[in-house]
Amino acid sequence: AQSVTQLDSQVPVFEEAPVELRCNYSSSVSVYLFWYVQYPNQGLQLLLKYLSGSTLVKGINGFEAEFNKSQTSFHLRKPSVHISDTAEYFCAVSEIWGAQKLVFGQGTRLTINP
Amino acid sequence: DTEVTQTPKHLVMGMTNKKSLKCEQHMGHRAMYWYKQKAKKPPELMFVYSYEKLSINESVPSRFSPECPNSSLLNLHLHALQPEDSALYLCASSQVTSGQETQYFGPGTRLLVL
Repeated sequence: AQSVTQLDSQVPVFEEAPVELRCNYSSSVSVYLFWYVQYPNQGLQLLLKYLSGSTLVKGINGFEAEFNKSQTSFHLRKPSVHISDTAEYFCAVSEIWGAQKLVFGQGTRLTINP
Repeated sequence: DTEVTQTPKHLVMGMTNKKSLKCEQHMGHRAMYWYKQKAKKPPELMFVYSYEKLSINESVPSRFSPECPNSSLLNLHLHALQPEDSALYLCASSQVTSGQETQYFGPGTRLLVL
């Protein structure tokens, strides 16, 4: 079974500052990794995913994440945030042979202050 | 196009009512999912349909009854719900092919049970 730990439940950042949202996972088998964003009163939107290949993954809205197998991490970064990035961010993992079961972290609330 | 639509957007129902939630996608995805999300929590998987057949039921109470009438539609029939069933209900869809199982979510139906 897999598990996902998002190390920070809340991250406050000033506008135009860089941000990193941390995600660590645990699994005994190979996995796919995802970051989803949920804006207030909305569904989940896929930000980016790692399936295979290059460990640096670029997503929408200027976000990127790096898969580190040795540290079992998949941290999300953005070099300069905007007020509109205020949202809940979920890291998720699935087995590559059983990818229909997504396991989510508890979420990180990113708040951008002017 | 990665759009999943859900209706209604909001639903208020009494504990004796019968109602249905609807989900639709036209991406040719052959897997569809129902999730339940409580406030400030990650989504919890309820059901998975693969090729219109129920493949995963996460021990959901029988007052929730899923239905997949065709490859584009997914329903969730609700009967005799409890106030603790109040939540955001999210639908998602994905391909079934290995490596293509990225899930795309709809905007959700916000359900209030009185």
